Amino acid sequence: GQSLEQPSEVTAVEGAIVQINCTYQTSGFYGLSWYQQHDGGAPTFLSYNALDGLEETGRFSSFLSRSDSYGYLLLQELQMKDSASYFCAVRGGGFKTIFGAGTRLFVKA
Amino acid sequence: EAQVTQNPRYLITVTGKKLTVTCSQNMNHEYMSWYRQDPGLGLRQIYYSMNVEVTDKGDVPEGYKVSRKEKRNFPLILESPSPNQTSLYFCASSPNYQSWGYEQYFGPGTRLTVT
Repeated sequence: GQSLEQPSEVTAVEGAIVQINCTYQTSGFYGLSWYQQHDGGAPTFLSYNALDGLEETGRFSSFLSRSDSYGYLLLQELQMKDSASYFCAVRGGGFKTIFGAGTRLFVKA
Repeated sequence: EAQVTQNPRYLITVTGKKLTVTCSQNMNHEYMSWYRQDPGLGLRQIYYSMNVEVTDKGDVPEGYKVSRKEKRNFPLILESPSPNQTSLYFCASSPNYQSWGYEQYFGPGTRLTVT
């Protein structure tokens, strides 16, 4: 079957760096995406990796290793507003989208 | 303003009473999709549509129907809702299936309770 695994919770302090990992198992692979969702809100797109390597967008970076079926989201200079849930997602077989169960990030002062 | 809208935002209904959740986008997007979100399970895709009159099942299509008669609209229909369909529902759109990974826009969500 197709699945993604990510940690359920991560806690870090303000100003620190945190990494959220995602491993995937899919019948086809077209790229790994990351979304942020605040409580009561809708998911919003953060980043996308179609090829191996690191993509950087401001304080957020995302990495992909297709040979390891693994990726991560790196958040630097953590701020209280980064407290949210983070989801990895892949386009699986056909044109479906498969999401991970999400990682809840708690940022402490 | 480019956006995806859903209606209603909140709905409480009873088992077996047919309902429709509307979704509309004003970005001329080809790809649209419905997801449900339940605690601890993330988002699970219900149905998606590649374009007008082209729809296909996601991972959890049972108990749902969709139609895509116009490019901008993608309603979700529950013919006979049951309590296990109590969930938070999101509609999303993307310019086309090739851009799903980096350009997917979500509506504000519809919280449905079936008693």
